[in-house]
Amino acid sequence: DAKTTQPTSMDCAEGRAANLPCNHSTISGNEYVYWYRQIHSQGPQYIIHGLKNNETNEMASLIITEDRKSSTLILPHATLRDTAVYYCIVTHGQNFVFGPGTRLSVLP
Amino acid sequence: EPEVTQTPSHQVTQMGQEVILRCVPISNHLYFYWYRQILGQKVEFLVSFYNNEISEKSEIFDDQFSVERPDGSNFTLKIRSTKLEDSAMYFCASIGGFRFLTQYFGPGTRLLVL
Repeated sequence: DAKTTQPTSMDCAEGRAANLPCNHSTISGNEYVYWYRQIHSQGPQYIIHGLKNNETNEMASLIITEDRKSSTLILPHATLRDTAVYYCIVTHGQNFVFGPGTRLSVLP
Repeated sequence: EPEVTQTPSHQVTQMGQEVILRCVPISNHLYFYWYRQILGQKVEFLVSFYNNEISEKSEIFDDQFSVERPDGSNFTLKIRSTKLEDSAMYFCASIGGFRFLTQYFGPGTRLLVL
């Protein structure tokens, strides 16, 4: 079973920030937090990952709490093309265990 | 940017037939994976492969499934005798380079067993 819990679905207005939460209270010290998304039935797309520091790249920002038991993926200016299922995964290098993810709908 | 590619994009087969799904991982990657996703369900791990042998496999990956890297570039998944419940999207992924834990996924093969 996945070691993460995420809301089933969220809506966001186009142009606004989308904040997607993830709980991973049993994360181990050597496990990373990864975020992927899946648009329709395409292959999962890598977004960002982190260990304990906050991270930012051209797609998103990742905020990890100090105790590492939860994180938030931030899409700063959501567009309609960001509508997808977003997966939060914790891993130390073994196969990924996907949960059901959060279905984000960006609304015009 | 290098990508994982998969062929075919769609495959329709009769129950009991053998199918081979092909993947070309990113060229300098060393770890390879197959996942599947039944319509409307979660992405599920099938098998991981490193140094020409299986590293780990799930309970889904039974004797009907096999993997190989026949020529140093392709990575294949064979299903010997397909069942209706094998109908799914099959995704290949690979790891390597400086992002040593990041899996890069291919676009998938949609398999339909009739």
